[in-house]
Amino acid sequence: GAVVSQHPSWVICKSGTSVKIECRSLDFQATTMFWYRQFPKQSLMLMATSNEGSKATYEQGVEKDKFLINHASLTLSTLTVTSAHPEDSSFYICSARDSRSGWGYTFGSGTRLTVV
Amino acid sequence: QKEVEQNSGPLSVPEGAIASLNCTYSDRGSQSFFWYRQYSGKSPELIMSIYSNGDKEDGRFTAQLNKASQYVSLLIRDSQPSDSATYLCAVENTDKLIFGTGTRLQVFP
Repeated sequence: GAVVSQHPSWVICKSGTSVKIECRSLDFQATTMFWYRQFPKQSLMLMATSNEGSKATYEQGVEKDKFLINHASLTLSTLTVTSAHPEDSSFYICSARDSRSGWGYTFGSGTRLTVV
Repeated sequence: QKEVEQNSGPLSVPEGAIASLNCTYSDRGSQSFFWYRQYSGKSPELIMSIYSNGDKEDGRFTAQLNKASQYVSLLIRDSQPSDSATYLCAVENTDKLIFGTGTRLQVFP
């Protein structure tokens, strides 16, 4: 089945630094990848949709200059949280869509970001 | 109005009982519907998808869809303590998944 690998699984960084999170589709080509953020006891909120080779589409209220998304290949998308602050501490989850089936959304294992 | 709504719970059921989870959505044009299970600190895992009106069964799980009422439900038969988790309803809208707030299910022995 489709597998999405997300790294790192957790990261602690100092306020003001940047953190990069990687999302890889291991056995399929993902034309579209999605980035979600989940605060404690809340649901997944879609941050942005990235398509290979084009600029990401950000949801309303998400700062595109703060959350940089790159989808340079059909198997890799990265999310960089720039100038991180404690309020950015959250659970970040990526999802990839299998272009072959056109239906499946496969989720990565998530990244727990803590900004201190 | 939220796009996908769920009762946050917790829904408590005894082991062996049927757990019924409900979800309503606002976009009448939505065509694809999903139920995910999420354990604390983990990523969501797909339980079922449903695209047509009616029931779809998979083992102990049954998804029900009523597009006219804009309503999706998930029934879990013979509930087990290991089913205790948050259940997320997701609706596909313009090629992206929109999640509900989730219902926390507690199955007690």
